[in-house]
Amino acid sequence: EAGVAQSPRYKIIEKRQSVAFWCNPISGHATLYWYQQILGQGPKLLIQFQNNGVVDDSQLPKDRFSAERLKGVDSTLKIQPAKLEDSAVYLCASSLDISGTGGYEQYFGPGTRLTVT
Amino acid sequence: DQQVKQNSPSLSVQEGRISILNCDYTNSMFDYFLWYKKYPAEGPTFLISISSIKDKNEDGRFTVFLNKSAKHLSLHIVPSQPGDSAVYFCAAGNTDKLIFGTGTRLQVFP
Repeated sequence: EAGVAQSPRYKIIEKRQSVAFWCNPISGHATLYWYQQILGQGPKLLIQFQNNGVVDDSQLPKDRFSAERLKGVDSTLKIQPAKLEDSAVYLCASSLDISGTGGYEQYFGPGTRLTVT
Repeated sequence: DQQVKQNSPSLSVQEGRISILNCDYTNSMFDYFLWYKKYPAEGPTFLISISSIKDKNEDGRFTVFLNKSAKHLSLHIVPSQPGDSAVYFCAAGNTDKLIFGTGTRLQVFP
């Protein structure tokens, strides 16, 4: 079974530029998550999709970050314009829709390391 | 407010000995707990989990213990191997959302 795919793996941009990340979840996984992981910290949830609908985007800086999941499969996360503090690893994860049955395992992609200069 | 805490940023253990990684949480509504392992330049990999109705779950060399009254969980690795050297994150949740700790870097030396 193929894992979560992400691209690009690395990206360096200047502040005020825009950037986009792509994620393809594990086949059949209804729920998709984007996390931001700053060096020395744990992953922090940015946005959660259930199929192609947003479940939780309460921690997404909506003035500069946007995300979409068209057709309930692939997803893109965009930052425009980028700030220095956006330098982090952006992780995509997916999980089965197992509401009410426990088992909240999320499966992560390799991440995109973003450096904003 | 950090709901999931890993107070030890690093741990060094000799090969063959036991590694014990600890995690504390504050939210009594959490009902599911997980451990992830992360190698450099890779995403976190799911390792083992436990629901709040249990106090122990075992999978090969890995055992997770949950003490609900103390709001504490721990991961035991026996015996430790050099390939276990990685950063370990604990995570907790009560729906399909997880809160992650800051991680503990485990180094297993020969």
